[in-house]
Amino acid sequence: KQEVTQIPAALSVPEGENLVLNCSFTDSAIYNLQWFRQDPGKGLTSLLLIQSSQREQTSGRLNASLDKSSGRSTLYIAASQPGDSATYLCAVPRAGTALIFGKGTTLSVSS
Amino acid sequence: NAGVTQTPKFRVLKTGQSMTLLCAQDMNHEYMYWYRQDPGMGLRLIHYSVGEGTTAKGEVPDGYNVSRLKKQNFLLGLESAAPSQTSVYFCASSYRAGEQYFGPGTRLTVT
Repeated sequence: KQEVTQIPAALSVPEGENLVLNCSFTDSAIYNLQWFRQDPGKGLTSLLLIQSSQREQTSGRLNASLDKSSGRSTLYIAASQPGDSATYLCAVPRAGTALIFGKGTTLSVSS
Repeated sequence: NAGVTQTPKFRVLKTGQSMTLLCAQDMNHEYMYWYRQDPGMGLRLIHYSVGEGTTAKGEVPDGYNVSRLKKQNFLLGLESAAPSQTSVYFCASSYRAGEQYFGPGTRLTVT
C-alpha cells in the first residue's frame, strides 16, 4: 500500500533563506508526482508535476526533484518570501487515477 | 476559463438531512474526483469518475453517493448526514491521469 510522508511537519524560516521540503513514498512504481500549495481556508494550487521520466521540474523560484529508486522528492524554494507561507503537499497517483497525499509541511516565512 | 468550481462554499446540516454538492469543470477533463480533508488525516479520496456515466469508490466511500451524468459535472450526495461527515470537501479534475486541478472547497458542518 502506497504511503506518502512529508518531513518536517512545520518549518519556520526568516525571509531570504533557501529551503528544502521533503517527500517520501513507499512504492516506487509511480508515473508522476505532484506538489501543491494550500493557503489557510483555501483550495489546493498545483505547483509542479514531475513525470517519472524526469528528474527535475522548475517554476520560478521553485525546483522539484524526483528520485524514484529511493522513493524521494524534494521541493526547493529559493530566496523565500513571506508570501510563500502556506502548507505544501506532495501527492502520488493511486492505482493510476486518484492521488495519495502526504500530510503536508506548513511553512512560515517571517519578514 | 473558470477551472473547477464548487457549489455551495459553506453549508450547515442537521443530522439526518440530505444534500448534494456540485462540482463543475470547464477544461473538458475526463477524470473527476471527490476528496475530503480532515485535520490530522490529510486528504482522502471518496469517489472518482473516469468518464461520463462512470463512477468508482475511493478510500472512504461510505455514506456518500455520486453521479456523473454530464462530462463537466460531478455530484456528491449525502443521503443522511452524520457528524462524522463534517469536513472540507474538494473536487478535482484531470485530463486522464495527469495533473489534477482542484476547486476551492465546500466547508460542511453537520450538527
